[in-house]
Amino acid sequence: QVQLVQSGSELKKPGASVKISCKASEYTFRNYAINWVRQAPGQGLEWMGWINTHTGDATYAQGFTGRFVFSVDTSVSTAYLQINSLKAEDTAVYYCAREKGAYWFDPWGQGSLVTVSS
Amino acid sequence: QSALTQPPSASGSPGQSVTISCTGTSSDVGGDNYVSWYQQHPGKAPKVMIYEVSKRPSGVPDRFSGSKSGNTASLTVSGLQAEDEADYYCSSYAGGSNVVFGGGTKLTVL
Repeated sequence: QVQLVQSGSELKKPGASVKISCKASEYTFRNYAINWVRQAPGQGLEWMGWINTHTGDATYAQGFTGRFVFSVDTSVSTAYLQINSLKAEDTAVYYCAREKGAYWFDPWGQGSLVTVSS
Repeated sequence: QSALTQPPSASGSPGQSVTISCTGTSSDVGGDNYVSWYQQHPGKAPKVMIYEVSKRPSGVPDRFSGSKSGNTASLTVSGLQAEDEADYYCSSYAGGSNVVFGGGTKLTVL
């Protein structure tokens, strides 16, 4: 079945970088955008932006510009989220999600927990 | 853009109906019919329940329905079941290729 499988949990120190992967299967990767969503501990969902998997063009939501980078490698049907200069407040679960139709997401990856702590 | 406004909690007994609201502005909820709803059980990824205000993806029970009036969208769960207990989030297109989520509603089945 169509699914997105994300990389595992990460523990990083402040100032470091992390790169999360999101591998798609059972559909044509380039036909659907990938969106990224953050969920801080005990908090709600926060839309981070999206990447056009065909062109590689990325759009970032307010608050996710500068340190956050979306990328894709179509040869392995994988999207990536890189976060640079990590801060404690970046501690969260990060989800990738396929944009199945206009502005709705299905399926979602299982989530990748990033913990930033010294 | 600001998060859409949802009540923090809602509840109902098994078999009853419950409605969760999602209030935005004319720039998001009221501007187009791109409102969707997601169910999230603890420790799990969100799952789409409703898209484009009132459409149900394949496999979602017809107990779940969506509607919209002006700047407020609503999700109704009829015939509540124990497994419906979860967090529910609305989302909406907010212009300029942006999406905004609601703050989430914790649904408790009494």
